[in-house]
Amino acid sequence: DAGVIQSPRHEVTEMGQEVTLRCKPISGHDYLFWYRQTMMRGLELLIYFNNNVPIDDSGMPEDRFSAKMPNASFSTLKIQPSEPRDSAVYFCASSFAGHMNTEAFFGQGTRLTVV
Amino acid sequence: AQKVTQAQTEISVVEKEDVTLDCVYETRDTTYYLFWYKQPPSGELVFLIRRNSFDEQNEISGRYSWNFQKSTSSFNFTITASQVVDSAVYFCALKRQGAQKLVFGQGTRLTINP
Repeated sequence: DAGVIQSPRHEVTEMGQEVTLRCKPISGHDYLFWYRQTMMRGLELLIYFNNNVPIDDSGMPEDRFSAKMPNASFSTLKIQPSEPRDSAVYFCASSFAGHMNTEAFFGQGTRLTVV
Repeated sequence: AQKVTQAQTEISVVEKEDVTLDCVYETRDTTYYLFWYKQPPSGELVFLIRRNSFDEQNEISGRYSWNFQKSTSSFNFTITASQVVDSAVYFCALKRQGAQKLVFGQGTRLTINP
């Protein structure tokens, strides 16, 4: 398997524009996570899905952020409108729960810069 | 509440030295899971190890070893005979039994100088 695939790797956009980040999880994994990494707050969980259903979105900072998982192999994180403080690295991760807690595998991240 | 503390913000050593990265965690749960991830300069997060709270055996994988001590709530990571390629930011993380959220420490930036 190619691992978790995120696109784009880098995104530069102007304040006020809509930004869509994309993620393809590892095939067979039933959990998908969106994390954000900033210098100030470190790595923080934004939202996660189980079998395509959003389970916990308490980490989503504002209504400007939304996430969808239309099928088992694709998820998006959208920011509309974007603001400079949204600049961060956004990671998608996936895991397979199985009968025990297992590790999450992360994508390479999308570095978002809002100017 | 869950919390992970990596008190060492940055460590710099010369190649071939041994180095230990500290991780201290807080949880009220009796069952939990601990992880280490590596973030090299290229930016991705690479899974290194998972340890269950009911398994206190230490683990060795090549030059890497992990020391888990429940009595001190620590899960330290040692690199033996460090190499320049070990330069990265290393994150310790905690997850509750039955939960999916990873709580990360702030990370330790390790620099191995030739």
